[in-house]
Amino acid sequence: GQNIDQPTEMTATEGAIVQINCTYQTSGFNGLFWYQQHAGEAPTFLSYNVLDGLEEKGRFSSFLSRSKGYSYLLLKELQMKDSASYLCALPDSNYQLIWGAGTKLIIKP
Amino acid sequence: EAQVTQNPRYLITVTGKKLTVTCSQNMNHEYMSWYRQDPGLGLRQIYYSMNVEVTDKGDVPEGYKVSRKEKRNFPLILESPSPNQTSLYFCASSLSFFPRESYNEQFFGPGTRLTVL
Repeated sequence: GQNIDQPTEMTATEGAIVQINCTYQTSGFNGLFWYQQHAGEAPTFLSYNVLDGLEEKGRFSSFLSRSKGYSYLLLKELQMKDSASYLCALPDSNYQLIWGAGTKLIIKP
Repeated sequence: EAQVTQNPRYLITVTGKKLTVTCSQNMNHEYMSWYRQDPGLGLRQIYYSMNVEVTDKGDVPEGYKVSRKEKRNFPLILESPSPNQTSLYFCASSLSFFPRESYNEQFFGPGTRLTVL
């Protein structure tokens, strides 16, 4: 089976940097997704990691360590529009995506 | 425009009255899925479909049915809705499901907020 843990809520300041962690336990690793979800809206894809290391995509970067069962999403130069929930998800061997409960990020001016 | 559409967006109904939530995608995706999202629980998969006429249960299939007669459509059917099915429902699709060396992001519909009284 799989288990995913994320902090429930985080607060950060506009213009700052924030790191959102995701730890997981899985019997077979098939990559890790990050999605963003604004309140009341659909999730949208941010990143996918299957190899260890950091992948940068503009202001957002995602890091993976398979040996530690750990990933993080790094958001730089925070903007008010980054206020959202950030969801970590892992594909399992049964053709399903297993989702973490999400981290609600609150940005303060 | 490539998209996943769901209808209705909002629905208030009563216990036991059968309903269908439609889902359609125009991206020729093979994989489609239904999720429900409840506060504190995250997204939970109800049913998924690998291709036409191929469907399988997710983590919370009780009380739901699906069908996949055409590639683009994947309706969710609640034969006898109950209050514990009050939730936010999302349909999603992706090109396929993932070999480890590549990825297929899931595209989500806008969601259907269902209230069962």
